[in-house]
Amino acid sequence: AQTVTQSQPEMSVQEAETVTLSCTYDTSESDYYLFWYKQPPSRQMILVIRQEAYKQQNATENRFSVNFQKAAKSFSLKISDSQLGDAAMYFCAYRFSNTGNQFYFGTGTSLTVIP
Amino acid sequence: DGGITQSPKYLFRKEGQNVTLSCEQNLNHDAMYWYRQDPGQGLRLIYYSQIVNDFQKGDIAEGYSVSREKKESFPLTVTSAQKNPTAFYLCASSIGVAGDNEQFFGPGTRLTVL
Repeated sequence: AQTVTQSQPEMSVQEAETVTLSCTYDTSESDYYLFWYKQPPSRQMILVIRQEAYKQQNATENRFSVNFQKAAKSFSLKISDSQLGDAAMYFCAYRFSNTGNQFYFGTGTSLTVIP
Repeated sequence: DGGITQSPKYLFRKEGQNVTLSCEQNLNHDAMYWYRQDPGQGLRLIYYSQIVNDFQKGDIAEGYSVSREKKESFPLTVTSAQKNPTAFYLCASSIGVAGDNEQFFGPGTRLTVL
């Protein structure tokens, strides 16, 4: 079975500080893609960042970056200079490259940003 | 503006009734998906469709049915056979089924069965 584990149901961070959300996954495949999605209170899911498993370089999108450790099957999200608008549920997900149909999602981490 | 619309935003139904949730996209995407979201359980795949007139069961398809008669539309019917239908339902689409294709999500429908 394909599983994604987000071990932190809730996290909080002071505004302007840095926070890291953890994600581990279990798969026997070697070629896949990893994603972090954000779900704010509006419940609209928004893509935050994407990582190709074949790339060693960690993806970065402005204040968002990942720490991808393929051997450890770990894919953490770092948010720098946290803003009030970053408060949301964050979901880690992966998708195989060859079949590519299904996303496998974690259970989410609820991030609170403290002013 | 291109995007995905789901209607209605909130839906109430009596137990034993079938109900259909609408999902429409104008992104010209081939693939469409239905997810169910429950507290503490993340998103679980109900059905997906790669192309018109074709769809596949996801992990929790029992008690649900879909159709894909048009590229832009992928309605989900929650039948009376679904034992616990109260949940938040999300529709998504992607340009194709390649692994790096981002999924775009609709705003969701909250279904409450009384």
